[in-house]
Amino acid sequence: QSALTQPASVSGSPGQSITISCTGTSSDVGSNDFVSWYQQHPGKAPKLLIYEAKKRPSGVSDRFSGSKSGSTASLTISGLQGEDEADYYCCSATRSKTVAFGGGTKLTVL
Amino acid sequence: QLQLQESGPGLVKPSETLSLTCAVSGGSISSTGHFWGWVRQSPGRGLEWIGSIHYGGTTYYSPALKSRVTISVDTSKSQFSLRLSSVTAADAALYYCARHWGTYCSGGYCYIQYYFDYWGQGALVTVSS
Repeated sequence: QSALTQPASVSGSPGQSITISCTGTSSDVGSNDFVSWYQQHPGKAPKLLIYEAKKRPSGVSDRFSGSKSGSTASLTISGLQGEDEADYYCCSATRSKTVAFGGGTKLTVL
Repeated sequence: QLQLQESGPGLVKPSETLSLTCAVSGGSISSTGHFWGWVRQSPGRGLEWIGSIHYGGTTYYSPALKSRVTISVDTSKSQFSLRLSSVTAADAALYYCARHWGTYCSGGYCYIQYYFDYWGQGALVTVSS
């Protein structure tokens, strides 16, 4: 069982926006802004999309945005494209200096 | 461009020790502001953090695996290694090495910034006799 809870799957049509939630506790997501999001295509290593809950690394499309409220972080993908079909994982630092991953969300572009 | 490459046996017998090495190139493993970690992914499953090490030797381990894990670093060879003892079928997975950011302290609390920005391609480990 993963420490952070994500929906198993989400779907959307091209051009639409979708949001993936990531729910933790007061010991992880709720205690800090050190939340990150990763995109993983089949057979590939994960790619950092969002760090510090809402910042984008250089080179990541501004269609990807992150937010956090209390113990829940969210990833929003706007203007959905076929290439966005992938698995998405959230990740949060914890007070005990460890890290927790979410179980992952499979995004299907209809 | 920083590159990480895992290496090690792809087949480990049950109860034995899994050993993997991650070679770092294109950058310094002795970066003060970064840690080097191991993350695994079982077939069809999600990501699981195993542990991380700083070049100075500071380590952090997953509580679930702590009793069986040792991560070490060899700065002279620009590599870090994972040892996981007493493996079972549950340890079969794709093992990634990755770099993440270091410590941030504020308001009396210190956190590790687990932003994994560079990853290896992964090493598949099977556990079978």
